[in-house]
Amino acid sequence: GNSVTQMEGPVTLSEEAFLTINCTYTATGYPSLFWYVQYPGEGLQLLLKATKADDKGSNKGFEATYRKETTSFHLEKGSVQVSDSAVYFCALSPAGGTSYGKLTFGQGTILTVHP
Amino acid sequence: SQTIHQWPATLVQPVGSPLSLECTVEGTSNPNLYWYRQAAGRGLQLLFYSVGIGQISSEVPQNLSASRPQDRQFILSSKKLLLSDSGFYLCAWSPRMNTEAFFGQGTRLTVV
Repeated sequence: GNSVTQMEGPVTLSEEAFLTINCTYTATGYPSLFWYVQYPGEGLQLLLKATKADDKGSNKGFEATYRKETTSFHLEKGSVQVSDSAVYFCALSPAGGTSYGKLTFGQGTILTVHP
Repeated sequence: SQTIHQWPATLVQPVGSPLSLECTVEGTSNPNLYWYRQAAGRGLQLLFYSVGIGQISSEVPQNLSASRPQDRQFILSSKKLLLSDSGFYLCAWSPRMNTEAFFGQGTRLTVV
C-alpha cells in the first residue's frame, strides 16, 4: 500500500534559520505530492504541490522538489519566521483515475520558531 | 470561489451519546467529499469518502457512519460514542477530476 514517512519532530529553530523537513513516500507509479500546513486550532491548508517528477512546488518562501529517483519531497525554506510555527504534513494522492482524491498523510512535523 | 463549512468547532459529549457533525461545500457541484480524523499526536486517517449522493465508502471499521443526503452535504454520525472516538475531525472536498483536497476548519470532539 501507499505510505508517507516524515522526519520526526518536533523541530525548533530560531528566526531566520534554514528549514528542512524530510519526506519520503512509497507508492506505485507517479503519485501527486503535497505539503499541507496546520496552524494551531485550525484545519489544514494546502501549502504547495507537485504532480510529476522533477516538478518544484513553491509558496510563501517554501519549496519542495518531486524526486522520483529517491522517492522524496523534502520541504525547505531559507529563512523561517515566527509565523511559520505550525504542524506540517506531507501527503500523496495515488496515480490513476480511481484515487478519488484520497490522500495518504505522514505523521506531521511540529515546527516551532523562536524570535 | 469555493468554501467549505464544518460545524460545530468544539464538542464535548458523554460516552454513549449520539453524534452528528455536518459539513457543507459551496461554489462547486459534484465534489468528492471526505471525513478524516486526527487523533492526539498522530497523523490524519481517512474515515469515509463519497463520490456522489448516497455513495459512501468506509476506509476503516469503526463506531462511526457517514451519509451524503445532498450533493454538497456530508454528515458524520454515531449512535453511541466511545472514549476512543475523541479527536479532531476534518471534512474535506476535492474537484472531481483533480487530486488536491481542501479542508474545513475541523471539529474537536472530546468524549467524556
